[in-house]
Amino acid sequence: NAGVTQTPKFRILKIGQSMTLQCAQDMNHNYMYWYRQDPGMGLKLIYYSVGAGITDKGEVPNGYNVSRSTTEDFPLRLELAAPSQTSVYFCASSPPGTYLGEQYFGPGTRLTVT
Amino acid sequence: GNSVTQMEGPVTLSEEAFLTINCTYTATGYPSLFWYVQYPGEGLQLLLKATKADDKGSNKGFEATYRKETTSFHLEKGSVQVSDSAVYFCALSIGNAGNMLTFGGGTRLMVKP
Repeated sequence: NAGVTQTPKFRILKIGQSMTLQCAQDMNHNYMYWYRQDPGMGLKLIYYSVGAGITDKGEVPNGYNVSRSTTEDFPLRLELAAPSQTSVYFCASSPPGTYLGEQYFGPGTRLTVT
Repeated sequence: GNSVTQMEGPVTLSEEAFLTINCTYTATGYPSLFWYVQYPGEGLQLLLKATKADDKGSNKGFEATYRKETTSFHLEKGSVQVSDSAVYFCALSIGNAGNMLTFGGGTRLMVKP
């Protein structure tokens, strides 16, 4: 199993550009998440999904969109990038059932908006 | 709401020293508690967990006990190694839909040889 994979690893965007951060998992997990981690800070939840076709906002959803057309993939879309979106983005997944809170993380995407 | 508070870092120790990283929480329900570790340049990995009061989670020489009376889940290790240098995150989940986690701010540990 590859686990949770994310692409790209690094990206530099200009203000106003758009991009999609890709996330895929091969563990057949129902739950998937997007977090951002600002320097020296903890993780903040952007969006999450409890299954294909179902998504919901987390703590900091403004400026982002997600979709979940398959169990495996959970892309994060940035529209009109702003310097405040400079961060490291982590995707995670979680198995269904009673694994309360146990999540598996990808390696992250470091995004700089200038 | 739910929140997790960790001691601020960085924590700098010499190899073989004793480690404690404090973590306290507030929760509206009965949470499960977790410690995640992030090694340089990597994503977070689950280190240990405890799902009910007085449970002790342990892994790789690290331990943490779920203390409901003090709402704490302090991380300890008897003898740290250079390879333990990382950022440690305390987190909780109240078993809500989606198994969502609330993270503390993280504590950076630096172990010197």
